[in-house]
Amino acid sequence: SQTIHQWPATLVQPVGSPLSLECTVEGTSNPNLYWYRQAAGRGLQLLFYSVGIGQISSEVPQNLSASRPQDRQFILSSKKLLLSDSGFYLCAWSWSGGFQGYTFGSGTRLTVV
Amino acid sequence: TQLLEQSPQFLSIQEGENLTVYCNSSSVFSSLQWYRQEPGEGPVLLVTVVTGGEVKKLKRLTFQFGDARKDSSLHITAAQPGDTGLYLCAGVPSNYGQNFVFGPGTRLSVLP
Repeated sequence: SQTIHQWPATLVQPVGSPLSLECTVEGTSNPNLYWYRQAAGRGLQLLFYSVGIGQISSEVPQNLSASRPQDRQFILSSKKLLLSDSGFYLCAWSWSGGFQGYTFGSGTRLTVV
Repeated sequence: TQLLEQSPQFLSIQEGENLTVYCNSSSVFSSLQWYRQEPGEGPVLLVTVVTGGEVKKLKRLTFQFGDARKDSSLHITAAQPGDTGLYLCAGVPSNYGQNFVFGPGTRLSVLP
């Protein structure tokens, strides 16, 4: 069976510090991978998605970047965090051969102070 | 403006009551999905509807896709405290690319 791991669960970082959130998927090959941010009352906002190693598409210009160094690894990064980067970040995967829904990780609650 | 609107935004009911929540758009969707999210967790897929007028049942949950594929509803019969959570609808609007957009969600609280 397929599983998705996302860590850390919570993170408190000072303004201006770097960020690295990691997501890995097990039990599947060549998944589509996604990073979402969830704000209260506004649903999920797609930040980045990837259909393969090294292939990253950005949906929203921002202070964040994403990388996919391995087939089942997706990383969300920032060089200098802003207060506005606070939020609940979710990693997700879907089958590449036809959309059957997202499977989400358990999320990271990021607070920038 | 959001492509998907959900109503009500909040709903608090007693155990055993029935309820319906709605997902609406002015755009046509090729398919719609419903997810449930519990606090501090990621959303979990409940169902996908793809055909206009389609009705799917999942135990006490009934999902319907509108005939024009612009709206969907979720009906829960005899709600239980375990149904508590944030219900999100998501879909791909026609002529919008291939990524799903999510509604803001309905936060349901079922009191024992």
